[in-house]
Amino acid sequence: GQQLNQSPQSMFIQEGEDVSMNCTSSSIFNTWLWYKQDPGEGPVLLIALYKAGELTSNGRLTAQFGITRKDSFLNISASIPSDVGIYFCAGTNYGGSQGNLIFGKGTKLSVKP
Amino acid sequence: EAGVTQFPSHSVIEKGQTVTLRCDPISGHDNLYWYRRVMGKEIKFLLHFVKESKQDESGMPNNRFLAERTGGTYSTLKVQPAELEDSGVYFCASSQVRSIGRTGGNYGYTFGSGTRLTVV
Repeated sequence: GQQLNQSPQSMFIQEGEDVSMNCTSSSIFNTWLWYKQDPGEGPVLLIALYKAGELTSNGRLTAQFGITRKDSFLNISASIPSDVGIYFCAGTNYGGSQGNLIFGKGTKLSVKP
Repeated sequence: EAGVTQFPSHSVIEKGQTVTLRCDPISGHDNLYWYRRVMGKEIKFLLHFVKESKQDESGMPNNRFLAERTGGTYSTLKVQPAELEDSGVYFCASSQVRSIGRTGGNYGYTFGSGTRLTVV
């Protein structure tokens, strides 16, 4: 089945630093999504990307849908302690209806104050 | 509005026992999904209900897993008999929007907090 390769697996950074993580796939997706999971909670949607080449921002977060439709990245600028958590990319090809999501393995982010 | 509620939040059972997980979706959401994350791995799709019907159950691991959604409201996921490899966090999600589109940037999927299942 389809798989997403998400990297890095984990990151330990200093507060104020910028963060970058990415996902690649061997096959095409028509929608890319980025989620964040806090401890003890479910994933929460951060950014949704619907078009190849699209660059979208949500506060300090910026994500891009790769031109080839096989990759996406998420950047976090000026990290703060509450950015700690696990970030997941997800892709889907259900263009006309909501179907299942294919998730990456997650990037665990730790921020040192 | 109340979010997606899952019960229990944690469950520890012995191998061979039966466990039933429950999910209450957001009221009025026709679509209900079950996902599972085994430690350190990706979150994997299990199945999708539209109202009370199974739309897609291609992710169900084997016939020890049984999902139901009576009356199109809450859903249960039963594991019988449980095996060690069934340990993980089981997430439920619900949505109402059928088409992927821009609704204020909201894809329409809301996840519950998950049930952490440990089989010993």
